[in-house]
Amino acid sequence: DAGITQSPRHKVTETGTPVTLRCHQTENHRYMYWYRQDPGHGLRLIHYSYGVKDTDKGEVSDGYSVSRSKTEDFLLTLESATSSQTSVYFCAISESPRGRFFGPGTRLTVL
Amino acid sequence: AQTVTQSQPEMSVQEAETVTLSCTYDTSENNYYLFWYKQPPSRQMILVIRQEAYKQQNATENRFSVNFQKAAKSFSLKISDSQLGDTAMYFCAQGGNTGNQFYFGTGTSLTVIP
Repeated sequence: DAGITQSPRHKVTETGTPVTLRCHQTENHRYMYWYRQDPGHGLRLIHYSYGVKDTDKGEVSDGYSVSRSKTEDFLLTLESATSSQTSVYFCAISESPRGRFFGPGTRLTVL
Repeated sequence: AQTVTQSQPEMSVQEAETVTLSCTYDTSENNYYLFWYKQPPSRQMILVIRQEAYKQQNATENRFSVNFQKAAKSFSLKISDSQLGDTAMYFCAQGGNTGNQFYFGTGTSLTVIP
């Protein structure tokens, strides 16, 4: 299994509060991704990174920002959480754009 | 737009039997990869099998094999000797040449019946 960890694994927060999710890899893969998974929508790409300090938006990036200051860490920040951001968040990594290895997921509930 | 279609929302199979999950995709790329992921109740996304589009030989991983028909843009997953642990949601995916070109189907929920 690819060495990917996500923290926290579960979080409950209130509307309007900032939230940061962390993805950490030990595989030295170049690409890192953040997805959200919701019923009826499957997995949707939020943001991705193709190198340190190199990031780009996915299809559902509004309300989210990311940062990657080290190869091994990719942070996802919700500046002001809303109830529509209640979801399961997955981090993924890959050597090339053509693959994905996923982390265990973070379940976020925004009340 | 590139899409991945899984036309079977739910399927069931008797333990020890064989089941085939269907997937079709649409892409204008010549060089791409196809994937099947398994998501059990634990929600972990597990890579089951991967197929490179330029390889004609169908990929196989133990009890899992694919039937890749490039001209028809079809990529089905066959599970042989089904086991109770195979009960999960299965997602088909197609990956392109850039970081945002990775498309998932909506999934097929497979139940293995004892």
